[in-house]
Amino acid sequence: EAGVAQSPRYKIIEKRQSVAFWCNPISGHATLYWYQQILGQGPKLLIQFQNNGVVDDSQLPKDRFSAERLKGVDSTLKIQPAKLEDSAVYLCASRLTSIGGEQFFGPGTRLTVL
Amino acid sequence: QQQVKQSPQSLIVQKGGISIINCAYENTAFDYFPWYQQFPGKGPALLIAIRPDVSEKKEGRFTISFNKSAKQFSLHIMDSQPGDSATYFCAASKTSGSRLTFGEGTQLTVNP
Repeated sequence: EAGVAQSPRYKIIEKRQSVAFWCNPISGHATLYWYQQILGQGPKLLIQFQNNGVVDDSQLPKDRFSAERLKGVDSTLKIQPAKLEDSAVYLCASRLTSIGGEQFFGPGTRLTVL
Repeated sequence: QQQVKQSPQSLIVQKGGISIINCAYENTAFDYFPWYQQFPGKGPALLIAIRPDVSEKKEGRFTISFNKSAKQFSLHIMDSQPGDSATYFCAASKTSGSRLTFGEGTQLTVNP
């Protein structure tokens, strides 16, 4: 069974630029999460999707971050414009259902904002 | 209310020793407590998890001890091996929702 795929693996941008990350969850997984992991900290949930609907985006900085999962499969997370403090690893995870079961994480995208 | 506090920040253990990592939570609504293992350049991977209806769960060399009254839980790694060197995160969530609140992480180094 293929795992959660993410791209790109690394991205370096200047502050105020825009960036987008892509995630392909495990086939058949209805629930998809985006986490932000700042160096030396635990992952922090940004947004949770159930199929193509948003379940929880309470910790998403909506003035600059947006995410979509239009067909209930792949998802894109965008930052526009980026700030220095957005430098982090962005992790995508998926789960078969919304309640119970294991969350499977992708390898992450390491973003550096200069 | 949503915090999970983890200690120590880093831990160095000799091969064959016991590694112990502790976590404390505040929100009494949490009822699922997993531990994740993360290697450099990889995403976290579930190691072992416990629910508050039991005080201990063991899987191979890994054991979770849970103290509901103290709102604390810990991970014990017996016979620690150099391959166990990684960052370990505790987490907590409510069964009714699935948001995981993670601790700050513990970087474990097992010396050969």
